Amino acid sequence: AQSVTQLDSQVPVFEEAPVELRCNYSSSVSVYLFWYVQYPNQGLQLLLKYLSGSTLVKGINGFEAEFNKSQTSFHLRKPSVHISDTAEYFCAVIGPVGSYKLIFGSGTRLLVRP
Amino acid sequence: DAMVIQNPRYQVTQFGKPVTLSCSQTLNHNVMYWYQQKSSQAPKLLFHYYDKDFNNEADTPDNFQSRRPNTSFCFLDIRSPGLGDAAMYLCATSRDRGGNEQFFGPGTRLTVL
Repeated sequence: AQSVTQLDSQVPVFEEAPVELRCNYSSSVSVYLFWYVQYPNQGLQLLLKYLSGSTLVKGINGFEAEFNKSQTSFHLRKPSVHISDTAEYFCAVIGPVGSYKLIFGSGTRLLVRP
Repeated sequence: DAMVIQNPRYQVTQFGKPVTLSCSQTLNHNVMYWYQQKSSQAPKLLFHYYDKDFNNEADTPDNFQSRRPNTSFCFLDIRSPGLGDAAMYLCATSRDRGGNEQFFGPGTRLTVL
């Protein structure tokens, strides 16, 4: 069965510093990959998605992610974070392509400090 | 704006007292999902409707049921809530199955006393 690993449960970073949130998925079959952000007591908002094509995906709020098939990774990056980026970030996968089920990682809490 | 709406945002119920959570959507999507998210955990899919076709996840307790009377509305019924059912319940929609982006509502936080 498909699974998603987010190794870092919490990532503290200073404001304006770069950040990378790591995500690895288990399967080598064709997959769709997503990053969602969740602010306290709110639902999930899509940051970006990889369905096919260019391996570098740009999303909202200045985030981007790179799909690496050989390493089965989909790490999320931002060159300069803001206090308002403090939130929980979930990596998720649908796989194989055509499946309905969105499998989430355990989440990474990004804590941006002034 | 097209969106997914959940009511109420906060729900308090008593142990064993049935409760219904509501979700509506203006996206005209075919698929509606219900997730349970406990504190500091990832969302867990309970079931989904593909149009009128109900699809239950294998590990969803019988205590949880759902209704979708029309395209726009979907309800989550918890027949006899236990303390372990306290969680955030998220509704989501997608245009179709098979890789489509899911759009999430703001969630309903359920407290069981």
